[in-house]
Amino acid sequence: VRLVETGGGLIQPGRSLALSCSTSGFPFRDYAMSWFRQAPGQGPEWLGFIKSHNKGGQTEYAASVQGRATISRDDSKAIAYLQVSGLSVGDTAVYYCSLGGAAAVWGPGTLVTVSS
Amino acid sequence: DVVLTQSPLSLPVTLGQPASISCRSSHSLVFSDGNTYLNWFHQRPGQSPRRLIYKVSNRDSGVPDRFSGSGSGTDFTLRISWVEAEDIGVYYCMQGSHLPYTFGQGTTLEIK
Repeated sequence: VRLVETGGGLIQPGRSLALSCSTSGFPFRDYAMSWFRQAPGQGPEWLGFIKSHNKGGQTEYAASVQGRATISRDDSKAIAYLQVSGLSVGDTAVYYCSLGGAAAVWGPGTLVTVSS
Repeated sequence: DVVLTQSPLSLPVTLGQPASISCRSSHSLVFSDGNTYLNWFHQRPGQSPRRLIYKVSNRDSGVPDRFSGSGSGTDFTLRISWVEAEDIGVYYCMQGSHLPYTFGQGTTLEIK
């Protein structure tokens, strides 16, 4: 099982981030995918998940990103996505994708720095 | 939101000695399907979290049997039968029974 996040970097306040989570080694379409983040020196924070299409494909979000975030998936490419708009300095963190709602396996993460 | 309170926050342990971390929840973590979605993670410096235990007491593949989880309802414990050098880092409990999913503050295990 392998997960790799891409798309991080330096982003100006007010702009958006768009992250991808490329996966391999498991039947992607059968699993929910979750996103987390970890601000410098802090513990992990759950951001949300997307269920498999077999289980309805619903998404759920944390209050901190509700209304600003969209989690989506492309089962044909085995990729999950996270988009977050209206970024502020407080969104600076390492962003992780994870397998399943119970976060069985995590990617290495991608650093997002929000700064002018 | 469900608040998870871990103790201790700092855990100095001698190599070869046991260690124990408590995770107490503000709400029962029994889900409507009867399962209790309480997980334990270990994070070494500079690395991603790694899940050790899921649904209270189930060890993930490759996790040494020195690690065990127990508990029910609102009180949960992670035990390490004997600590090895590779066990240093921060341990987090996380609940997946109630939205939003939440983590404990973390317990830093260090070698004395």
